[in-house]
Amino acid sequence: DAKTTQPPSMDCAEGRAANLPCNHSTISGNEYVYWYRQIHSQGPQYIIHGLKNNETNEMASLIITEDRKSSTLILPHATLRDTAVYYCIVRVAHHKAAGNKLTFGGGTRVLVKP
Amino acid sequence: SAVISQKPSRDICQRGTSLTIQCQVDSQVTMMFWYRQQPGQSLTLIATANQGSEATYESGFVIDKFPISRPNLTFSTLTVSNMSPEDSSIYLCSVIAYEQYFGPGTRLTVT
Repeated sequence: DAKTTQPPSMDCAEGRAANLPCNHSTISGNEYVYWYRQIHSQGPQYIIHGLKNNETNEMASLIITEDRKSSTLILPHATLRDTAVYYCIVRVAHHKAAGNKLTFGGGTRVLVKP
Repeated sequence: SAVISQKPSRDICQRGTSLTIQCQVDSQVTMMFWYRQQPGQSLTLIATANQGSEATYESGFVIDKFPISRPNLTFSTLTVSNMSPEDSSIYLCSVIAYEQYFGPGTRLTVT
């Protein structure tokens, strides 16, 4: 799996948008960008994933650059409950025979402040 | 989605003993994984456990230390054998049910 680079930590203000960057310059054509988060003392939680188009769901938006070498996860209105470690992971989609494994990097520790 | 439960949620064990962690899923899943998260660290994959076949271990993890059972499509166990303080970690079960989901983890402290 391709590696990702994320800032180790960032703060954001409650109610404001949180923009979490991720670099994945060695991503392959068949690899997706996945985002998970881990709230303290819980298992990781799936947020969103995408291949090359921007994606949005009830939790977040994912913006992937045209060259697919980087992406940004956007939490539109951060709340205190969004404080967590956010992991950006690239991998072949789950239903493929190879590359099913999720490999976690260091992630970004996000602290939402009142 | 898949709802995953793990037992025990936490335990304190003495070195040299073994602990078996159970993972129960509310639906049948083919692919199941076991991860370890050492204090302050990210998650590391221990092994992939598919029903009907031997578990596949990642580099640095061996079956004698982390034997895994996968008797059916909704259940798996991970045993941490001959424990030492270095095994103190959170152990997480994970499954693929369209997306990949994680259990709440088992927090193990070895004294």
